[in-house]
Amino acid sequence: ETGVTQSPTHLIKTRGQQVTLRCSSQSGHNTVSWYQQALGQGPQFIFQYYREEENGRGNFPPRFSGLQFPNYSSELNVNALELDDSALYLCASSTYRGQTEAFFGQGTRLTVV
Amino acid sequence: AQTVTQSQPEMSVQEAETVTLSCTYDTSENNYYLFWYKQPPSRQMILVIRQEAYKQQNATENRFSVNFQKAAKSFSLKISDSQLGDTAMYFCAFMKLPAFATNKLIFGTGTLLAVQP
Repeated sequence: ETGVTQSPTHLIKTRGQQVTLRCSSQSGHNTVSWYQQALGQGPQFIFQYYREEENGRGNFPPRFSGLQFPNYSSELNVNALELDDSALYLCASSTYRGQTEAFFGQGTRLTVV
Repeated sequence: AQTVTQSQPEMSVQEAETVTLSCTYDTSENNYYLFWYKQPPSRQMILVIRQEAYKQQNATENRFSVNFQKAAKSFSLKISDSQLGDTAMYFCAFMKLPAFATNKLIFGTGTLLAVQP
């Protein structure tokens, strides 16, 4: 167990809806990254938050947004859901933004129908 | 842009035998890290081994070792004495340095390893 927890574990949403996924980072970690893992693919970097500010973003549209709270937990919000958003969403936390080791949660499986 | 390629979608090995998973990458950077992550059915990504690009010595962690060929941009993982618990998806990943930048991981598409009893 890494100490990184994600909720919910599974979620089914309808196309066009909005969804919020949550991540509690490991104690002492101030950096959280989010990844999208489509079926049969490797994870792709969505964005990273460091001390409540976005600190880098991958090739994802603006309808993917996030927040980091003072306790360093984080949310991933996706608006106007599309069928292709169906994926496993992974959260990873690190002690600091340049740390090479990231500790992953077990992910949230999102299905868009 | 950096890319990571894993050309073996699936592999199988007998328990107690040795298996090697392949990974190649493309980058113009000189300072970076390479990783192998394991993702079992529980879905949690677990770090197996890490290699700093500036180190010529290959990293080793118990039964896991790498063959890092910087000039060839190759980074293979060798698992010795394979165990049933090694059954998982294995991902090769790249991280650009320097520190205090975004520690973004770039993953390959993975290799599904099945250890047979």
